[in-house]
Amino acid sequence: AQKITQTQPGMFVQEKEAVTLDCTYDTSDPSYGLFWYKQPSSGEMIFLIYQGSYDQQNATEGRYSLNFQKARKSANLVISASQLGDSAMYFCAMREGRVSGTYKYIFGTGTRLKVLA
Amino acid sequence: ETGVTQSPTHLIKTRGQQVTLRCSSQSGHNTVSWYQQALGQGPQFIFQYYREEENGRGNFPPRFSGLQFPNYSSELNVNALELDDSALYLCASSSGGRTDTQYFGPGTRLTVL
Repeated sequence: AQKITQTQPGMFVQEKEAVTLDCTYDTSDPSYGLFWYKQPSSGEMIFLIYQGSYDQQNATEGRYSLNFQKARKSANLVISASQLGDSAMYFCAMREGRVSGTYKYIFGTGTRLKVLA
Repeated sequence: ETGVTQSPTHLIKTRGQQVTLRCSSQSGHNTVSWYQQALGQGPQFIFQYYREEENGRGNFPPRFSGLQFPNYSSELNVNALELDDSALYLCASSSGGRTDTQYFGPGTRLTVL
């Protein structure tokens, strides 16, 4: 079974509008972390935002916010006021194993976002 | 830029050969992780090193091995290369702590012929 599921292979959004990229996860680890990364065509992975499993508030970083719904095991990324430079591949990732001290990191298959002028 | 560097940028090898990829972590980071990203897919976690010890491993065979040095730089070694090993290999460093956020290098593109 997939531990990180990104159901949207591709998304389009008009410049200056908001867009939500979906991510659901599956883990039995009580302590985990959720991350979103952006990968432009150049290939480098750029960290966007982090949410810890015990964090009470949804994480925000500038135009990025993470809609964390723990009971539903979802961690959707919301990008507000989209810009042309936001066009890229977006990956949701999870870190497990903090309690055991043996970490594993799992990435989803990604969502390709295209921002339209 | 993250301050994480990788070398070489590109590499071509033939099946059965061995390869060593290198990574220098960001200043202040003591943890390095390696990932394999095949074309069109998400990164797959290979392993993580913390203070020169392996402390996490994904589903990769033993021919994938690594080292971390006292300055926290790291090597990924792959023996007996197979065609399916062709991929982008990403290194990420982090400082541990509550979030343990990983910062990635630009990657090494390995082609196995």
